[in-house]
Amino acid sequence: GESVGLHLPTLSVQEGDNSIINCAYSNSASDYFIWYKQESGKGPQFIIDIRSNMDKRQGQRVTVLLNKTVKHLSLQIAATQPGDSAVYFCAESLTGGFKTIFGAGTRLFVKA
Amino acid sequence: DAGITQSPRHKVTETGTPVTLRCHQTENHRYMYWYRQDPGHGLRLIHYSYGVKDTDKGEVSDGYSVSRSKTEDFLLTLESATSSQTSVYFCAIRTGGGDSYEQYFGPGTRLTVT
Repeated sequence: GESVGLHLPTLSVQEGDNSIINCAYSNSASDYFIWYKQESGKGPQFIIDIRSNMDKRQGQRVTVLLNKTVKHLSLQIAATQPGDSAVYFCAESLTGGFKTIFGAGTRLFVKA
Repeated sequence: DAGITQSPRHKVTETGTPVTLRCHQTENHRYMYWYRQDPGHGLRLIHYSYGVKDTDKGEVSDGYSVSRSKTEDFLLTLESATSSQTSVYFCAIRTGGGDSYEQYFGPGTRLTVT
């Protein structure tokens, strides 16, 4: 598969544990945030999004938290599974969404 | 996968040659994007399109041009490829509206410029 990041921050967790992936965004005017998952050899895949008028949003096994005061975003994955092993990107955008700025990504390893 | 295909999937070319990458979508989405992905840089926007013949530059547009003559196809051209353009290229479309602007990505094209 494609090598998407030789020097990415890496998080290693035990199968069944919860994972927390953090992201600092750059533009205080950004009002729409997205998390993507990228598996080896594939394009990024949408996981969950959140608007700036919210501080928490839950999906299936995933939760995104937004702290606008410190421009921080986190993705929590409950009961992490081997299939969750991937690179995770946060992204920010302004209303209208024409342009999205992606972070450098975090690699998640899940140990069986 | 939102009906997005990219061609070719892999290409090796020599410095100075022109290269065109194609993105094709089957669902009539208005917005289409070209990104490049390099180690340590995440995804960086090259160009995007907001309709037929309507395009604009992204953050790394130098050395690239695009064309969109019909809704379903968005072409990325490297007029004279350089080694710094060796990368993985992803096309994306934007869906949604209202509160959501999800992007769906194609499978990528690995381009090597020798």
